Order: sequence, then structure tokens, then C-alpha cells
Amino acid sequence: EIVLTQSPGTLSLSPGERATLSCRASQSVSSSYLAWYQQKPGQAPRLLIYGASSRATGIPDRFSGSGSGTDFTLTISRLEPEDFAVYYCQQYGSSPGFTFGPGTKVDIK
Amino acid sequence: EVQLVESGGGLVQPGGSLRLSCAASGFTFSSYWMHWVRQAPGKGLVWVSRINSDGSSTSYADSVKGRFTISRDNAKNTLYLQMNSLRAEDTAVYYCARGYSYGSYWGQGTLVTVSS
Repeated sequence: EIVLTQSPGTLSLSPGERATLSCRASQSVSSSYLAWYQQKPGQAPRLLIYGASSRATGIPDRFSGSGSGTDFTLTISRLEPEDFAVYYCQQYGSSPGFTFGPGTKVDIK
Repeated sequence: EVQLVESGGGLVQPGGSLRLSCAASGFTFSSYWMHWVRQAPGKGLVWVSRINSDGSSTSYADSVKGRFTISRDNAKNTLYLQMNSLRAEDTAVYYCARGYSYGSYWGQGTLVTVSS
């Protein structure tokens, strides 16, 4: 079973700065099956990126995904106040369902 | 507009049972795989179970296998999770999510608390 590791655990940044979040898999992941979510306190997760690099409907273009194999990255080009949240990567394929990473919290510096 | 609305959560004693529902609207429910994902207080997301579009195939996380049953009623546009032999460690917000390899839409969640 593939294990996803996210780093850093917490990222402290200021609005307007660039955020780079990492997701590493213990084995190669099909790019088609790598997704990223945003979750704010008290809310459900929201799909940001699927297929490693495709933005979901309505997601601003400041969010971008990249990577392949075992290394994937979510980049937020310029942080807006509403972007401070927890971000999860997720893969599908090595087990019957979803496998999530532990999350990266992006908080205000 | 796609909507998923969970219900059925609440406080239950260890060993008890609950049935969660997820009412779907705004899309052709019978065309989509569906999942249950849970989140313990202050913790991350954990996949629980999934069902294919016609209900003929299901899968479970090892932690719930033999205790939980996922099902769906495509005529009622509703997804279910029957939870038996509940344990304290099942305490979580339970979300339903639409999709095959990722959750494109999620409900708002329903809280299940297992405690005596």
C-alpha cells in the first residue's frame, strides 16, 4: 500500500507570498490519480487539483499542481487571506479507496 | 447545483449501531461511484468505504471491514453507511464524496460520537 508524506507539516507565510507544498509517495503514483484538497476549519474538503495538474471547476489560477512518479507539488503563487487552510494530497489505485497524506497547514505568519 | 447532504449522525454507546444517509441532488446519482470518508476530531482524512455506480461492487478500509456496510438506492438518490459494533475510535465527522479516483464533491459531514 502506498503511503503519502506531506511536507512541511506547517507553513507560516504572509499574504502575497508564494507557497510550495510537497507530497511524496512511498511508491510511484499514476499522475492521473493524484489530487489535492483544501480544508478550512468546520468545512468539508474542497477539490483543488486532480490528475496531478488539472484545476477543478472554479479554482483560481493561482493554484497549480505539478509532479510525477513519487514527487508532487502544490503551488499557490500569491497567498490570499482565504487560502490559509489545511491542504491534503490524495492518491487512488494502490488500495480499493483513497489514500490521503497527513496534511500541510498553511497559516499566517 | 451538485448537493450532497449527510444525516443520521449522533451519540451512540460503544457496541451500538447507526445508519448514515447521504442525499444527492443536482446530478445523475446512478452514474457515479460514491465514497465515505471520515475525520476524527483534530485529525486528518481517512477513507472508509466506496461503492460503484450500480451498487454491485463495494470496498472497505480494514478498520471497518465486517462492521460497516455501504449501500445505495439509485431510485432515491441516496447513499447509506450502516455502522454496527461501533467503537470509540469510530468517533468522527463522516463525509460522503462523489467520484471514482478523487472526490469532486463533498457533503458537509455528519458527526458520529461513540461514547458511554
